[in-house]
Amino acid sequence: AQSVTQPDIHITVSEGASLELRCNYSYGATPYLFWYVQSPGQGLQLLLKYFSGDTLVQGIKGFEAEFKRSQSSFNLRKPSVHWSDAAEYFCAVGLFSGGYNKLIFGAGTRLAVHP
Amino acid sequence: GAGVSQSPSNKVTEKGKDVELRCDPISGHTALYWYRQSLGQGLEFLIYFQGNSAPDKSGLPSDRFSAERTGGSVSTLTIQRTQQEDSAVYLCASRTGTFSGANVLTFGAGSRLTVL
Repeated sequence: AQSVTQPDIHITVSEGASLELRCNYSYGATPYLFWYVQSPGQGLQLLLKYFSGDTLVQGIKGFEAEFKRSQSSFNLRKPSVHWSDAAEYFCAVGLFSGGYNKLIFGAGTRLAVHP
Repeated sequence: GAGVSQSPSNKVTEKGKDVELRCDPISGHTALYWYRQSLGQGLEFLIYFQGNSAPDKSGLPSDRFSAERTGGSVSTLTIQRTQQEDSAVYLCASRTGTFSGANVLTFGAGSRLTVL
């Protein structure tokens, strides 16, 4: 079955440090992959998406992600974290089944940023 | 409207009562989704509407849950005989047309349901 795994439930980094959030997916075809961020009390905001082409995608707020087919991964990175990046991050894969389209989400990674 | 609007933002109810949660998608968006986010959990797909097609109800956890979409716009998620395990944030999302690289889901802020 299709699934998304985010192995890290919580991550804490210092402000200014680099960040990598892991995401692995299980899907038989070429996936559509997404990263969303959810700040406290807010809805989900799209950070970036991968549909095809260049495997390194750039998103908003200085985030990027790299699709690695051989590893079934789509890890999110940021070279220098800001305190405002503290939030919950969700990786998702887009599924197409029987004409229906939906996103399957991972359990999320909660990011804390130390000053 | 400019975004996906959900109401109420917070709902506290007693076990056994019925609740209705409303979603007003972005104008012109033909696809509408409901997800559930329980404490410490990811987003769980509930139901998906696309135009006039029959909805994909494969994620509804029990027959106490139902949803409808009137006039291809506003959607209501109904939970009958609520249980404490129904406590969660219910998120609605919408998008235009066929799922492709040109469109993504836009989420509302959610309706937080607490069942006492």
